[in-house]
Amino acid sequence: DAGVIQSPRHEVTEMGQEVTLRCKPISGHNSLFWYRQTMMRGLELLIYFNNNVPIDDSGMPEDRFSAKMPNASFSTLKIQPSEPRDSAVYFCASSGETSIEQYFGPGTRLTVT
Amino acid sequence: AQSVTQLGSHVSVSEGALVLLRCNYSSSVPPYLFWYVQYPNQGLQLLLKYTSAATLVKGINGFEAEFKKSETSFHLTKPSAHMSDAAEYFCAVTANAGKSTFGDGTTLTVKP
Repeated sequence: DAGVIQSPRHEVTEMGQEVTLRCKPISGHNSLFWYRQTMMRGLELLIYFNNNVPIDDSGMPEDRFSAKMPNASFSTLKIQPSEPRDSAVYFCASSGETSIEQYFGPGTRLTVT
Repeated sequence: AQSVTQLGSHVSVSEGALVLLRCNYSSSVPPYLFWYVQYPNQGLQLLLKYTSAATLVKGINGFEAEFKKSETSFHLTKPSAHMSDAAEYFCAVTANAGKSTFGDGTTLTVKP
């Protein structure tokens, strides 16, 4: 099992640019989560999907952030336009109906200059 | 509603000493409880989970945790710390299907 796959692992971009983070969950898992981790705010849940449908997006900080899950094996988190305060590590995690624990990807370290 | 409180953002122990990381939870329904570990520059990994079976749960790397309903606690212990245990540890609670609430994390330092 390849685990949760995230790309890119590192992203450096300039303020105002669009950033797209990608996630492939574990095959067979039906829930997918996007988190943001910073020193100041710790681990924050941004949004989660169940069966490709967004269930709770109350953690999405503002309209600049959007997430999609077009199918069971792919999700994106987009920031447009990006700002320096968006610099963080973004994690994707997935879980299944028979495995309530979450499996985390390695994260994408985003730096916005 | 569900919440988690991890007591102590930093814990330091000597190699070979007992490790005790504290976690208290709040949940309106019987919870599932988890401990995750995060090593530098990595994602979180599951250490152990409580799912209403045995109250003493054993996990990987010699860690265990005891669910105490009367105290709403789920403290993580390891009898003898190893240098490789140095990491950040997160307690999490899931009361509603899918969504977990994570604590703020406890950084464990192991001194030689």
